[in-house]
Amino acid sequence: DAKTTQPPSMDCAEGRAANLPCNHSTISGNEYVYWYRQIHSQGPQYIIHGLKNNETNEMASLIITEDRKSSTLILPHATLRDTAVYYCIVSPPYTDKLIFGTGTRLQVFP
Amino acid sequence: GAVVSQHPSWVICKSGTSVKIECRSLDFQATTMFWYRQFPKQSLMLMATSNEGSKATYEQGVEKDKFLINHASLTLSTLTVTSAHPEDSSFYICSVPGQGNEKLFFGSGTQLSVL
Repeated sequence: DAKTTQPPSMDCAEGRAANLPCNHSTISGNEYVYWYRQIHSQGPQYIIHGLKNNETNEMASLIITEDRKSSTLILPHATLRDTAVYYCIVSPPYTDKLIFGTGTRLQVFP
Repeated sequence: GAVVSQHPSWVICKSGTSVKIECRSLDFQATTMFWYRQFPKQSLMLMATSNEGSKATYEQGVEKDKFLINHASLTLSTLTVTSAHPEDSSFYICSVPGQGNEKLFFGSGTQLSVL
């Protein structure tokens, strides 16, 4: 599986946009980029995923560079409840398996 | 509502005993389920793939005789930690493949503490 690189931690002020980067320079052409988050002592929660195009849903936006070697998850208006570990994962469509990296611990402060 | 039900949420046991964790798929029939383990302040580590009606597939370094997996129906997989020791204390999480955008739905996890 392609590996991802994320900063270990980030801070964000409540109400501001949180931009979480992810490098996946060895991503293959058919691999999707998935983002999950894990709030303390809970199971991971799906946020968004994409292949080539930018994606947006009610939770976040995903910006994928044209060469697909990196992406950014954007939480447009962070709240205290967005404090969590955010995982960027690349995975091909033919497997349901997800291999987690180290993630980014996002701390939203008042 | 919840798609995956995991039980118990937490369990404390004595060293040498066995502990069973259940994972139920509430909305989908699941021919495969996945079991993860997470130590404090670390990421999730995939332990094994549970296969309905056949043997589980274990990741490298995971002892199959230590972590028994049974997937007897399309909605239930169980993980039994046999002869548990303090080093087995961890957060165990199961997951079920989704049928839409979500590749995997995750259970709420089981915190195991072995005394």
